[in-house]
Amino acid sequence: AQSVTQPDIHITVSEGASLELRCNYSYGATPYLFWYVQSPGQGLQLLLKYFSGDTLVQGIKGFEAEFKRSQSSFNLRKPSVHWSDAAEYFCAVGLNYGGSQGNLIFGKGTKLSVKP
Amino acid sequence: NAGVTQTPKFRILKIGQSMTLQCTQDMNHNYMYWYRQDPGMGLKLIYYSVGAGITDKGEVPNGYNVSRSTTEDFPLRLELAAPSQTSVYFCASSKASFQGAIPSSGNTIYFGEGSWLTVV
Repeated sequence: AQSVTQPDIHITVSEGASLELRCNYSYGATPYLFWYVQSPGQGLQLLLKYFSGDTLVQGIKGFEAEFKRSQSSFNLRKPSVHWSDAAEYFCAVGLNYGGSQGNLIFGKGTKLSVKP
Repeated sequence: NAGVTQTPKFRILKIGQSMTLQCTQDMNHNYMYWYRQDPGMGLKLIYYSVGAGITDKGEVPNGYNVSRSTTEDFPLRLELAAPSQTSVYFCASSKASFQGAIPSSGNTIYFGEGSWLTVV
């Protein structure tokens, strides 16, 4: 069955430090992969997506993610974290077979806290 | 620049009451979705629609109903509210599905800001 695993429930980093949020997926076909961010009390905002091509994907707010097929991973990175990055981050895989068109399978999320 | 709009943002219901969560999008998207988000559980698909007049069940449809009479609107109805339906509900839309599609921005799913529902 398709699944998305985000191993880290909560991560705390210092402002200015680098960040990597892990995401592993289980999916039989070529995955469509997404990272969303959710600020407290807000909806989900798309950070970036991978459909095909270059495995290093650039997103908004200085985030990037690298697709590694051999590791079934799509980790999110940022070189220098800002206090405004504190939020919850969700990795998701898009199902592209019939009967579940457009369905996204979400990971359980990683909550990011930023220390001053 | 409205995108996906949900109402109400907050609601408290008593057990057994019914209500409708409204969702409208102004992007002329064919596909619309309802997700629920429970703490520590990520989001799960309740229902989705591939166009006006067409709806289908997602992963957790029990206790909910939907309709899609227009392209813009996709209301979610709770007929007999239960405490297990306490959750945050997100409506979403996309221009196209992933199936067989050439990857493009049309495949991206855009979310509303959420509706916080408590059943007591």
